[in-house]
Amino acid sequence: AQTVTQSQPEMSVQEAETVTLSCTYDTSESDYYLFWYKQPPSRQMILVIRQEAYKQQNATENRFSVNFQKAAKSFSLKISDSQLGDAAMYFCAYRAGTYKYIFGTGTRLKVLA
Amino acid sequence: EAGVAQSPRYKIIEKRQSVAFWCNPISGHATLYWYQQILGQGPKLLIQFQNNGVVDDSQLPKDRFSAERLKGVDSTLKIQPAKLEDSAVYLCASSLAGGWNGYTFGSGTRLTVV
Repeated sequence: AQTVTQSQPEMSVQEAETVTLSCTYDTSESDYYLFWYKQPPSRQMILVIRQEAYKQQNATENRFSVNFQKAAKSFSLKISDSQLGDAAMYFCAYRAGTYKYIFGTGTRLKVLA
Repeated sequence: EAGVAQSPRYKIIEKRQSVAFWCNPISGHATLYWYQQILGQGPKLLIQFQNNGVVDDSQLPKDRFSAERLKGVDSTLKIQPAKLEDSAVYLCASSLAGGWNGYTFGSGTRLTVV
């Protein structure tokens, strides 16, 4: 069965610094997609970044980038130049074939001024 | 484009009462999802619609939960009767078929069962 694990319940980062959120997953599939979603207090889940498993190149979106290690089944999110607005819950998610998204339990990110 | 609309935003009910949530997806999105997010956990899929047909309802507690998507657009999720453990945020999301580019989520309904 596919599982997604986020081992850091909470992380803190100083404003303007860099932080990395960890995610590991378990799957026997070779073709799948991985996502990071941000959930601020407004509760709306917002897509931050996505990665196709068949792509070697790590995805980047402005200050957000991932370190995708397919063999290790690791998918970490790096946030550079952290801003106060980055404070939120971050969820890692996996999807393959017709399977539903499987979400991790989330990491709460605090940004310190 | 307008986002995914959900209502109500908050709801408090007593156990054994019934409740209904409404979702209006993004125009043109064929796939609609209802997720349950219990405090401290990641969202869990309850049901997935493709147009007005059910694709996956394997984790929907069918003895008390029901959902429909009339005309392949709006959807309602109902709980009857509610239990204390149903207290959660109910998120609706929509996507183009497949959802490979990600989902668009609504702001959810926070349900408290007392």
